[in-house]
Amino acid sequence: SSELTQDPAVSVALGQTVRITCQGDSLRNFYASWYQQKPGQAPVLVLYGENNRPSEIPDRFSGSSSGNTASLIITGAQAVDEADYHCNSRDRAGNQVVFGGGTKLTVL
Amino acid sequence: QVQLHQWGAGLLKPSETLSLTCAVYGESFSGFYWSWIRQPPGKGLEWIGEFNHRGSAKYNPSLKSRVSTSVDTSKRQISLQLSSVTAADTAIYYCVRDLRGPFDYWGQGTLVTVSS
Repeated sequence: SSELTQDPAVSVALGQTVRITCQGDSLRNFYASWYQQKPGQAPVLVLYGENNRPSEIPDRFSGSSSGNTASLIITGAQAVDEADYHCNSRDRAGNQVVFGGGTKLTVL
Repeated sequence: QVQLHQWGAGLLKPSETLSLTCAVYGESFSGFYWSWIRQPPGKGLEWIGEFNHRGSAKYNPSLKSRVSTSVDTSKRQISLQLSSVTAADTAIYYCVRDLRGPFDYWGQGTLVTVSS
C-alpha cells in the first residue's frame, strides 16, 4: 500500500488553474517530487524540492506544501497538460521511496 | 544531457529470473545513485530499489528477498535481477537516475510479461 495519497482523477477547464494534491505523513519531513506521464511514455520530472522546475518545464507548473500535503499547481492549464501525475517522497524514516497512486488530469 | 537506454527479456515464465540492463550516457556516472521503478499495466509506480557504485543499496521490503542489483562503472551500466517471478511481476520496468529525492532521468522502459 502507498504511504502517499492522491485523488484518482481531477479535471480542469482549458486555461484555468488546477491543484493536484499528495498527502502523507512523510511530507512533513521530506519534499515531494512530481512527474507527468503521458500514455505510452516514461514519466517526466516536472517539480521537485521546495518549488524547483527542470529547465524544460514551463513556468505554469509550480508547487506548494503545507503540513502533510504537497500540491502541484498548473496555472492556465493547456490541452498538452492532460496526463497522469505522480508524486513521490521518502517514507517517514527516510529509508524507502514511496509513490502516490497517481492522478489522471483531464483538461476540458 | 543524460540518456538511459535499457534492455532485457520481455517474456518470462513463472519462476524464471528477470534480468534487465541499463546503459547511461552523458554526465558523470559514479557520483550518483540509481533506482529501478516498475509500473504494472494501468497502475501506479512502484519503487524497487536504489543503489550506487560503492555498494550502498536499499530495496523495497516487499521485493527485497528476490532483488539483486549491480553497477559496472567501466561500462557505465546498471543491472536488475528479480528472481522467482510471477504474473504479479508483469510491469514496465524503468531505470532512473536517483537524486535521493527526485528521479530526474528515466530510461525508455521495458515491458516484462510473465506468463506460462
